[in-house]
Amino acid sequence: QVQLVQSGAEVRKPGASVKVSCKASGYTFISYNINWVRQATGQGLEWMGWMNPNSGNTGYAQKFQGRVTMTRNPSISTAYLELSSLRSEDTAVYYCARDKFTISGVVIFDYWGQGTLVTVSS
Amino acid sequence: DIQMTQSPSSLSASVGDRVTITCQANQDITNYLNWYQQKPGKAPKLLIYDASNLETGVPSRFSGSGSGTDFSFTISSLQPEDVATYFCQQYDTLPPTFGPGTKVDIK
Repeated sequence: QVQLVQSGAEVRKPGASVKVSCKASGYTFISYNINWVRQATGQGLEWMGWMNPNSGNTGYAQKFQGRVTMTRNPSISTAYLELSSLRSEDTAVYYCARDKFTISGVVIFDYWGQGTLVTVSS
Repeated sequence: DIQMTQSPSSLSASVGDRVTITCQANQDITNYLNWYQQKPGKAPKLLIYDASNLETGVPSRFSGSGSGTDFSFTISSLQPEDVATYFCQQYDTLPPTFGPGTKVDIK
């Protein structure tokens, strides 16, 4: 069965960086894009960007340009999200989510990781 | 970015009731609209994609309809396990954006 398992909770000080991992299993990792979506406590869902695990190509939401980096290691079926210059407003649960189809431009999230809480506090 | 609105923001209904949530986009998104269910402390779960297609394994009491700018999501007979927040999401134009959510609970 398809599973996305994320790394554990992180605490960082303002200005620091954080790297969250998302390990995929149960399907061919390089065949489906991975997206990252975050959710502040009690708030809505915010898409951060996508990554093609085969090519490594990425696309980021304008809001996060310059602060976000999405990478992958196909040999261990793992995707990574790195967010730098953290501020308190970045405190949120970060989810990885797989695209349902391999068709470019079709953004339907059919499997999600369990979420990783990132807390930014001095 | 395309703005998505949902109504109501919350509702309370009895077990067995028919529940309908609406989602509106501020521009035409054809049928590129998905619905997710999120239970407290859990990741969202895909229920409906492309406005009306039921995801595999999702109970048939869930349905969706609409096109253009106006969409609806219906639970035909509310069950206790349906207590959750429901989000719509468009993908007509990047970035994909979500509605603010509708919290559903049992009266």
